[in-house]
Amino acid sequence: EAQVTQNPRYLITVTGKKLTVTCSQNMNHEYMSWYRQDPGLGLRQIYYSMNVEVTDKGDVPEGYKVSRKEKRNFPLILESPSPNQTSLYFCASSPGGRSTDTQYFGPGTRLTVL
Amino acid sequence: QKEVEQNSGPLSVPEGAIASLNCTYSDRGSQSFFWYRQYSGKSPELIMSIYSNGDKEDGRFTAQLNKASQYVSLLIRDSQPSDSATYLCAVNPYTGGFKTIFGAGTRLFVKA
Repeated sequence: EAQVTQNPRYLITVTGKKLTVTCSQNMNHEYMSWYRQDPGLGLRQIYYSMNVEVTDKGDVPEGYKVSRKEKRNFPLILESPSPNQTSLYFCASSPGGRSTDTQYFGPGTRLTVL
Repeated sequence: QKEVEQNSGPLSVPEGAIASLNCTYSDRGSQSFFWYRQYSGKSPELIMSIYSNGDKEDGRFTAQLNKASQYVSLLIRDSQPSDSATYLCAVNPYTGGFKTIFGAGTRLFVKA
């Protein structure tokens, strides 16, 4: 089944404890992206990647790191999480070609930072 | 700051009516426009994409784009209770990239 998977789905952690949220897609997509969704603010892009080893900042990259060492994986790293990073996180992938035509979203990761 | 704005709603329409959802964007150079639907507790899914001025129809959905007015809309004909969701407008500010800006979304309720 073609899909984007994220792990973990739910995470409660404490301020300053490094964490990684994994994202994997099995559709051989070129493009991958991370978003956070907060009430009243909608989806905001954190980082995106247009290919292996090619990443760029979205609108809210502060406090996050990403890497794209393999085409299928795009982990999101929070080196020192803070309470303002409590949010619902979505990973998405797209086949490429015409810009962002059809982004496929993962199921989401709900993160709480205490 | 490039922005995409939507009325947060909720927009309430009776079953069978036309629901009209609107979106404005600030970057005049924007090239690609998308409507996503998000059910409560679920991830967004693409409904429509539109790139040229005018209308694009797909089943009960019609996307309308007016680049001169920096305005994109989504019409849902014969609205059904299953259409009740949040509708997200998304804009790709320039060609060749993957940067995407989403609006905050409009909540739609279709009353049976």
